[in-house]
Amino acid sequence: GENVEQHPSTLSVQEGDSAVIKCTYSDSASNYFPWYKQELGKGPQLIIDIRSNVGEKKDQRIAVTLNKTAKHFSLHITETQPEDSAVYFCAASINNDMRFGAGTRLTVKP
Amino acid sequence: NAGVTQTPKFRVLKTGQSMTLLCAQDMNHEYMYWYRQDPGMGLRLIHYSVGEGTTAKGEVPDGYNVSRLKKQNFLLGLESAAPSQTSVYFCASSSSGLRQETQYFGPGTRLLVL
Repeated sequence: GENVEQHPSTLSVQEGDSAVIKCTYSDSASNYFPWYKQELGKGPQLIIDIRSNVGEKKDQRIAVTLNKTAKHFSLHITETQPEDSAVYFCAASINNDMRFGAGTRLTVKP
Repeated sequence: NAGVTQTPKFRVLKTGQSMTLLCAQDMNHEYMYWYRQDPGMGLRLIHYSVGEGTTAKGEVPDGYNVSRLKKQNFLLGLESAAPSQTSVYFCASSSSGLRQETQYFGPGTRLLVL
């Protein structure tokens, strides 16, 4: 089955700096790659997603890039703010079978 | 529009006891999912359903059963709880069609098995 690896497991940045989280996947048939943000005590919330026919997608301060050849995708957050502090999960999906990375705890220091 | 709700929020069980976790969604979604979340392991799919009356196994189905008697509800059952089932359980739903992969999560149920 699909295997998703996520790095780093923890990331600490200064407010205003950029943050990058990277994921790799194993199954070339995966065609949907969402990113979720999970705040303490809450369920994951979708923040951005990308499909296999697109290489990059941007939504305000958040962007995702996908390299299908290398089977990796990344989340980029620019101009980080303290409220960006949370755990971020990447995932790769084939036909509604979604596999998640282990998560990255992002801390933005004011 | 409450989205995805889960009942209960927290439960403590003794080994061998049984319980049912309830997930409800009011978005008329076809697909529903149960995940467990353990430290350092992300979310793992237990079972899922692609429509009323259907269920299918996910990545870690052993020790759990599910039922989808109504479109808006998806029940997760533990017949004989074990300490290894201590976890946070999340339900999710998604629509059919072009955006079927986008899953919306509930707030979670924290389960402790002693």
